[in-house]
Amino acid sequence: QVQLQESGPGLVKPSETLSLTCTVSGGSISSYYWSWIRQPPGKGLEWIGYIYYSGSTNYNPSLKSRVTISVDTSKNQFSLKLSSVTAADTAVYYCARPAATYCSGGSCYPGWFDPWGQGTLVTVSS
Amino acid sequence: NFMLTQPHSVSESPGKTVTISCTRSSGSIASNYVQWYQQRPGSAPTTVIYEDNQRPSGVPDRFSGSIDSSSNSASLTISGLKTEDEADYYCQSYDSSNPVVFGGGTKLTVL
Repeated sequence: QVQLQESGPGLVKPSETLSLTCTVSGGSISSYYWSWIRQPPGKGLEWIGYIYYSGSTNYNPSLKSRVTISVDTSKNQFSLKLSSVTAADTAVYYCARPAATYCSGGSCYPGWFDPWGQGTLVTVSS
Repeated sequence: NFMLTQPHSVSESPGKTVTISCTRSSGSIASNYVQWYQQRPGSAPTTVIYEDNQRPSGVPDRFSGSIDSSSNSASLTISGLKTEDEADYYCQSYDSSNPVVFGGGTKLTVL
């Protein structure tokens, strides 16, 4: 079965760029959408964005100006970069794969997320 | 943009039934599937209901989902409550302008 594992620095300084990688094991990254979701301590889930294995992306409008998601099919990995971070970006960051996609009118949307990675806490602090 | 509004918390006794609502602020709740996740402390969310009322394999049939167009809301019902059901629950849906929207989450306490 497919498993996801996040990796990257646990501490990032304010104004710098947060970089995380999600490694996919037990299956190919091809032919699927792949997503990043975060959860500030004690708060709810926030979708960050997703990427199709071919490279097309869709980002949360509230984060769009600072987010870049990329994919490396040769390594079976996809990555997140979030620039100009502040303390408000402190969160547990999850990578996840939609178990299904819903396509209509030329656009596709992720269904329920399964599996998820275990999550990695990133703290923004000097 | 639409929002999904959930009660902040609910509580009920073991063996009882509890229902968690998820109200869509605009657009029809019936137009796009609703998913439900359970999240225990320190763990990633897991799916308990997908596509409004479907249960993944391994999820007990004590968990059920439904849609009510009259109130423009989705509901997650858990019957025969067990202490292990104590967790946070999140609904999720989408539309053409908002590919992924989560509700704010509901903390279920089983006293």
